[in-house]
Amino acid sequence: EVQLVQSGAEVKKPGESLKISCKGSGNNFTKYWIGWVRQMPGKGLEWMGFIFFGDSNMRYSPSFQGQVTISADRSINTAYLQWSGLKASDTAMYFCASSLNGAKAWNFWGPGTLVTVSS
Amino acid sequence: QSALTQPASVSGSPGQSITISCTGSSSDIGYYDYVSWYQQHPGKAPILIIYDVNYRPSGVSNRFSGSKSGNMASLTISGLQAEDEAAYYCNSYTSGDIYVFGTGTELTVL
Repeated sequence: EVQLVQSGAEVKKPGESLKISCKGSGNNFTKYWIGWVRQMPGKGLEWMGFIFFGDSNMRYSPSFQGQVTISADRSINTAYLQWSGLKASDTAMYFCASSLNGAKAWNFWGPGTLVTVSS
Repeated sequence: QSALTQPASVSGSPGQSITISCTGSSSDIGYYDYVSWYQQHPGKAPILIIYDVNYRPSGVSNRFSGSKSGNMASLTISGLQAEDEAAYYCNSYTSGDIYVFGTGTELTVL
């Protein structure tokens, strides 16, 4: 079983940069994809993109391409989601989730990181 | 890629059955048997309850079942219980090699 631990809540100002993390525990993490999901206040789930720990292959949903950067450090089983210039509309809960390579469902989820962007 | 379409809300009494629909297209639900469903209680992370259209992960109640016909998938919850009150989201793999969620359905147990 995989456990995902996410970094803590953040409060930022518009225009600031931010990198949040998702650390996985368990063996053979290189066999997993890690995905990032946005949930704006009172709204539904949206896929942002995902990265494969085996070779850092990644995919972005069209709405988020160019808006965020997804990366991973295999040496510490950690995936990252990064912004270079936050907007108020980035205020949301961000979840990471894992999927075993070859499977097409996301069976383990982190608790979420709340990002608040306000001047 | 547009979100899959779900009813905004459904309701049912304890013990009854309800079905939540999820409508997509020939590029997602209609083409792949990779539909999954997630349950989300307020303030919590989503939980996988159905994968590959109609399979349950270990530990998920057999009161949850899934099906698919054409471009539409469905989640049925039988023997409704108070703890089933939550938001439910469908999800599908797509021809763009990405995933798409449904719009989400709030289930109220009366």
